[in-house]
Amino acid sequence: NAGVTQTPKFRVLKTGQSMTLLCAQDMNHEYMYWYRQDPGMGLRLIHYSVGEGTTAKGEVPDGYNVSRLKKQNFLLGLESAAPSQTSVYFCASSLRTGWPETQYFGPGTRLLVL
Amino acid sequence: GESVGLHLPTLSVQEGDNSIINCAYSNSASDYFIWYKQESGKGPQFIIDIRSNMDKRQGQRVTVLLNKTVKHLSLQIAATQPGDSAVYFCAEKREGSYIPTFGRGTSLIVHP
Repeated sequence: NAGVTQTPKFRVLKTGQSMTLLCAQDMNHEYMYWYRQDPGMGLRLIHYSVGEGTTAKGEVPDGYNVSRLKKQNFLLGLESAAPSQTSVYFCASSLRTGWPETQYFGPGTRLLVL
Repeated sequence: GESVGLHLPTLSVQEGDNSIINCAYSNSASDYFIWYKQESGKGPQFIIDIRSNMDKRQGQRVTVLLNKTVKHLSLQIAATQPGDSAVYFCAEKREGSYIPTFGRGTSLIVHP
């Protein structure tokens, strides 16, 4: 099993450009999550999904959109990138929510917006 | 307490020592707590979790203690090894909620 994979690993964007981050998991997990991690701060949840075809807003959803057309994939989109979106983005998945809840994280995507 | 600004609290220990990493959580309604380890350049990795109806839970070389009275969580690592060097952070959530709250993390440095 590859676990959780993320594409791309690193990207540089200019302000106003768009891009899509891809997350894939091969563990048949129902729940998938997108987080951002900024220096000196903990992870913050952007959006999440509780199953194929569903998405919901997390703590910091503004400026991002997501889609979960297939159970194994969770896409994060930036329609018009801003420098404030410079961050490291992590995708995670879990079999269930609540006790016990083990989230498996991907390796991250480093995004720099100029 | 936590540092102000971008610098993470740091704990330096010698190899073989026991390490204790602390976390103060904010929401008295939180009933589920998780510890993660994040090595440089990698995604977080689950270590151990605990529910609010427990005071203590043990794993392999790790123990989590929960004090609900003062809203404090600690992670104890026995016989710390260089491979334990990483940032450790706790997360809290209410069961049934999908949104965890993560702490800023503590950097553990293990000297050989």
